[in-house]
Amino acid sequence: GAGVSQSPSNKVTEKGKDVELRCDPISGHTALYWYRQSLGQGLEFLIYFQGNSAPDKSGLPSDRFSAERTGGSVSTLTIQRTQQEDSAVYLCASSLRGDRRGGDEQYFGPGTRLTVT
Amino acid sequence: QKEVEQDPGPLSVPEGAIVSLNCTYSNSAFQYFMWYRQYSRKGPELLMYTYSSGNKEDGRFTAQVDKSSKYISLFIRDSQPSDSATYLCASLMEYGNKLVFGAGTILRVKS
Repeated sequence: GAGVSQSPSNKVTEKGKDVELRCDPISGHTALYWYRQSLGQGLEFLIYFQGNSAPDKSGLPSDRFSAERTGGSVSTLTIQRTQQEDSAVYLCASSLRGDRRGGDEQYFGPGTRLTVT
Repeated sequence: QKEVEQDPGPLSVPEGAIVSLNCTYSNSAFQYFMWYRQYSRKGPELLMYTYSSGNKEDGRFTAQVDKSSKYISLFIRDSQPSDSATYLCASLMEYGNKLVFGAGTILRVKS
C-alpha cells in the first residue's frame, strides 16, 4: 500500500520567508510525527499528533515553528521567518496507534530537504 | 551530552564481513531500542526493535541490548554492498512516543 508521502521533496527559500511542508500519513494511522535531520545531528523530534488529543509540541525549537493536522490526516509544518540554521531535512512519520504496546512502528516518509539561502 | 551517542563513521568493510554497529545511551528510562536503515535521499526504515535487554535475530541481522551497560549493538553477517547505508539507533521510553536517535553511522560495504 501507499506509504507516508511528503511534499515538496526539495524547497529552497530566502532567509526571512515563510515555508509550509506537507505530510500525508499512511491511511488509518492515528499518530503523526515530525522530525528534523541536520547534517551530523541525527533525527530530532519536533512534534507529535495523536488522534484528537492536544499535540505534543515539546520538540519545536522556537515559536517560529508550528504544525497543524487537519481532519486527523494531513499535516502541515510551517516555519515562519526562516533562518539559515533551519536548513535540514524535515521528516514525517506515522504509526497505527501512537504508543509502544508492541508492534507500533513509526513509518517514515522520504522527507523535505529545506535550504535557506 | 546527547541521550544516545553513536559514532558517525564512516565504516568501510569488504563484502562478506561481519559488521558491528554500536550505540550507548544515558537515560535509564529507555525500554525500547530500534535500529533504522536510511539510504541516501530516503526516509529511515525500521530494521529491528528490541524491548529491554536481550538479543533478537532476523536473517543476517542481530540486535543486542545490554541495559546494565546501556549499550546497543547491531550485527550484520555476510555483509553485502546493498547494506551500504546510514544506520541509526533509536530509543524510546516505556510509554513514550518520542524516538531519541543517535547521529547515525555511515556504512560502506565494498564489493
